[in-house]
Amino acid sequence: DSGVTQTPKHLITATGQRVTLRCSPRSGDLSVYWYQQSLDQGLQFLIQYYNGEERAKGNILERFSAQQFPDLHSELNLSSLELGDSALYFCASSVWGALGETQYFGPGTRLLVL
Amino acid sequence: DQQVKQNSPSLSVQEGRISILNCDYTNSMFDYFLWYKKYPAEGPTFLISISSIKDKNEDGRFTVFLNKSAKHLSLHIVPSQPGDSAVYFCAASRVDNNDMRFGAGTRLTVKP
Repeated sequence: DSGVTQTPKHLITATGQRVTLRCSPRSGDLSVYWYQQSLDQGLQFLIQYYNGEERAKGNILERFSAQQFPDLHSELNLSSLELGDSALYFCASSVWGALGETQYFGPGTRLLVL
Repeated sequence: DQQVKQNSPSLSVQEGRISILNCDYTNSMFDYFLWYKKYPAEGPTFLISISSIKDKNEDGRFTVFLNKSAKHLSLHIVPSQPGDSAVYFCAASRVDNNDMRFGAGTRLTVKP
């Protein structure tokens, strides 16, 4: 158990719909990262928040948005869903050591768009 | 643009033998490298890391080697155990940048 929680675990929806994925970081971690893992793909970085503010943006579509709340949990909003959005969505929080940052991942949300 | 590549999608080894997983990167600005292990239906878990100031880091059965001139890192697992069967992702990042890049993963199967 990494200490990072994600809900829901599974989500099935239809094209054109909108969903919200939720992530709670480890206690004390200020950063939350969102990743997408599609079939046979590596982890694609979507976006990072740090203490409520957007810190870095990766390959995130305009149909997707995220936010981090004062209690540090984060939500990833996916709208106008397409079949190709079916994937595993992971969030991670991080800890900094002397030489770099290590991310700890939640169990993921499996999204299936039909 | 894929800055971190794992060219072998799968690897099968016998229990007790060495597993070697490889990873190449293109961005010479990366200075921190990590390996994550992922079981089905679970999130990736941190395994081992190495800074660019070192060329080897060892933790029990796991050793990561970094060859900066070749922009190549490898993970050695000795001896391999059936419980090591999982997908292994390598990741690279810069200390001054929060954009960690992952490879596509290598599925390791350790046969009893």
